Parts: sequence; structure tokens; C-alpha cells
Amino acid sequence: DAGITQSPRHKVTETGTPVTLRCHQTENHRYMYWYRQDPGHGLRLIHYSYGVKDTDKGEVSDGYSVSRSKTEDFLLTLESATSSQTSVYFCAIRDRVGVNTEAFFGQGTRLTVV
Amino acid sequence: DAKTTQPNSMESNEEEPVHLPCNHSTISGTDYIHWYRQLPSQGPEYVIHGLTSNVNNRMASLAIAEDRKSSTLILHRATLRDAAVYYCILRIMGDSARQLTFGSGTQLTVLP
Repeated sequence: DAGITQSPRHKVTETGTPVTLRCHQTENHRYMYWYRQDPGHGLRLIHYSYGVKDTDKGEVSDGYSVSRSKTEDFLLTLESATSSQTSVYFCAIRDRVGVNTEAFFGQGTRLTVV
Repeated sequence: DAKTTQPNSMESNEEEPVHLPCNHSTISGTDYIHWYRQLPSQGPEYVIHGLTSNVNNRMASLAIAEDRKSSTLILHRATLRDAAVYYCILRIMGDSARQLTFGSGTQLTVLP
């Protein structure tokens, strides 16, 4: 199994509070991604990173920011959590670009905003 | 972007073969067809991919139509552990670092 660890695995937070989710990899893969998964929407890309300090937005980036100060860690921050951000968040990694490369996913973080 | 269409759900009996269809009628010549699956309470995992020819690996087989407008993921002997949501995804050439675009997939139920 690819070495991807998401933390925390579960979190309940209050509306308006900041929340940071962490994705840690031991594979030294260059590309890292954050997705959210909601019923009826499948997985949607929030942000991704193509190197240290290099990040870009996905299709549902509003309300989220990311940082990648080292290869192994990719942080997702909800600046001020809202109930609409209640979701399951998945981190993924990939070694290189190209249509033949597979992605590896973490176990997910279940976030509930009350 | 080329899109895929999959049945919402399918059932299979344990130890029988399963054929999961995917339609991708707007596929372009350089799009690869990838399959991922998501077991309950887990992240997606890669299953198989192909371009034009049929492909086999330890998990499954991928049969691609000659016109590439459809494909079928084949699980040769379904087990209870194969119960999952199966996603058919097109990898778009030139999409650089952007990731896979997931649809809603097919929920496979395996009956004992």
C-alpha cells in the first residue's frame, strides 16, 4: 500500500472555526491532491500541488486554502468552516504526470461542521 | 471534456464473472480509459487502464470496443470483497497535473 496518512480521520468542528487537515506521504511523489466526496457528487477536486510551494485550484476551491512547504506534507485549511463543508476529504498522490500513471488515495477524513 | 456513462448499480453472485459496462462515445483518440474502485469507507484504488487493446492484470480485465466508444471491466470471479463503487474515467492527454474526474460510478453488490 502506498504510504499516505491523513489526519485526523474524524473531526467535528463548529461553524466559523478554522480547520486544517493534513496529508502526509512517504513515497516522495511530486503531485498531491485534495478531493471532497459528497453523496450525489462523487469526488471533486479542491486543490492540487505539483511541487513544494506550487499549488493550484481545482473545481471547488472556494473556502479552502492549501500549503505545501515540504514534499511529504500537503495541508488543507478551511479558513472559516461552514456546514456546506461537511464532507469526506481524500488526499491523493501521484508520481509523475502522464495518462499512464495511477493515483494513490488516502483513507479519508470525515469532517462534520455543526 | 469527454464524459463516461455507467449504470448506477449492478448485482452479481459470488464466484461468478461480472461485466461492468462504460460508455464514452465522445472519447478522443488519445484518451486512456482508467478504472478505479472504492471499497466501503476507503479511498479509491486503481484497478486497470487501457488505450485500444484489451488488458489483463491480477485484479481484472479490460475489454475495449473496436471503436473505443465503450469498454467493459471484467471481474472473472467476484468475491464479497469486490463489492464497491467502480469508476470508469478518461485520462485526458495534455491535462498536465490535474487529476482524475470522477463520475458517480457503478455500485456493485456481490451476493453470497
